[in-house]
Amino acid sequence: DAGVTQSPTHLIKTRGQHVTLRCSPISGHKSVSWYQQVLGQGPQFIFQYYEKEERGRGNFPDRFSARQFPNYSSELNVNALLLGDSALYLCASSGTGASAFFGQGTRLTVV
Amino acid sequence: QKEVEQDPGPLSVPEGAIVSLNCTYSNSAFQYFMWYRQYSRKGPELLMYTYSSGNKEDGRFTAQVDKSSKYISLFIRDSQPSDSATYLCAMSGSGAGSYQLTFGKGTKLSVIP
Repeated sequence: DAGVTQSPTHLIKTRGQHVTLRCSPISGHKSVSWYQQVLGQGPQFIFQYYEKEERGRGNFPDRFSARQFPNYSSELNVNALLLGDSALYLCASSGTGASAFFGQGTRLTVV
Repeated sequence: QKEVEQDPGPLSVPEGAIVSLNCTYSNSAFQYFMWYRQYSRKGPELLMYTYSSGNKEDGRFTAQVDKSSKYISLFIRDSQPSDSATYLCAMSGSGAGSYQLTFGKGTKLSVIP
């Protein structure tokens, strides 16, 4: 079975630009969460979606938004990129329990 | 005070040693406790998942949760060079919308052959 897949794996953007990151969860999982991990830190929660509804939002500015599609895949959008948005963005997939399975992440560099 | 405290290390041990990794937390609402292993520039891999207090063993790995002390541990027996990675503790509450994970900073482990 395929695990959590994220695309793209790497990208470089310029300050002020917009970026869209994509995630496909494990087959049968209906919950997708997004995390930001800066170098040397643990992942920080951004959003959780379940059955296309937002279930939780972390302490991130409104420049960050997300959505979940009928097939349970998800997009994370970040507007007006700042240098500080450079990080590894992780998508996690959950079934009925609390455990979360992560993808390989998208490494975003803002220059 | 951060919700989850984890010593970032680095921790260096010889091959075959027993490794002990720990986290403390302040939020008594946490019910689910996890340990993840993360290799450099990769996503975290779920190692152990425990609900409430108690011990759980899986091969060379043992997870312990002491909710009265707000303290969790991961033990690795017969450590191998392939165990060299960053280990992240994570925890969450229960109930609708509470499955967001709160992570520690991670402990970087090196197992020396």
